[in-house]
Amino acid sequence: KAGVTQTPRYLIKTRGQQVTLSCSPISGHRSVSWYQQTPGQGLQFLFEYFSETQRNKGNFPGRFSGRQFSNSRSEMNVSTLELGDSALYLCASSPKIAGGPADTQYFGPGTRLTVL
Amino acid sequence: GQSLEQPSEVTAVEGAIVQINCTYQTSGFYGLSWYQQHDGGAPTFLSYNGLDGLEETGRFSSFLSRSDSYGYLLLQELQMKDSASYFCAVSGNTPLVFGKGTRLSVIA
Repeated sequence: KAGVTQTPRYLIKTRGQQVTLSCSPISGHRSVSWYQQTPGQGLQFLFEYFSETQRNKGNFPGRFSGRQFSNSRSEMNVSTLELGDSALYLCASSPKIAGGPADTQYFGPGTRLTVL
Repeated sequence: GQSLEQPSEVTAVEGAIVQINCTYQTSGFYGLSWYQQHDGGAPTFLSYNGLDGLEETGRFSSFLSRSDSYGYLLLQELQMKDSASYFCAVSGNTPLVFGKGTRLSVIA
């Protein structure tokens, strides 16, 4: 099976702009989660989608949003970009809803976002 | 809330054994997972402990003590390619919560 794919891999934006990142999960996986990774902060959970519904949301401002399509592909959007949004954004898919035993996440390569 | 503590950096010699500890505080605990991430790469799943005790997968082993809210990842016969960041993660009633990661440097 093909792994999780993310596009684009690298992105440079300026403050105030908005950005949309895309994620295609492993075939058959219905859960897609998004994480923000910054040096020293590890992986911070953004949100999880399952069957087109947001199931869980992390502690991030409303500028961060996402959605999932009927084919399980997901997008996340960040509006009014700030310098602090510079990070690696990782998408992960799982065959089951997040939470519970053996919640194994399969990660994509990430999108490196730089905000200038 | 949930929180995990793991050392930020560990250095070990090629061929040696290294242990990376993880302590956690959480509600609705199901199990502890470990992920490996090389520089520039994506995190990849290494192991999962749902019950107390040791799980072994080749050179890697992972241990869990639920009563102590503690686990560790043991890497044996260290190789240079093991240089990476290692994250523990807790499965509970909420999505996976990750620790901040331990950067392992393997030196000759």
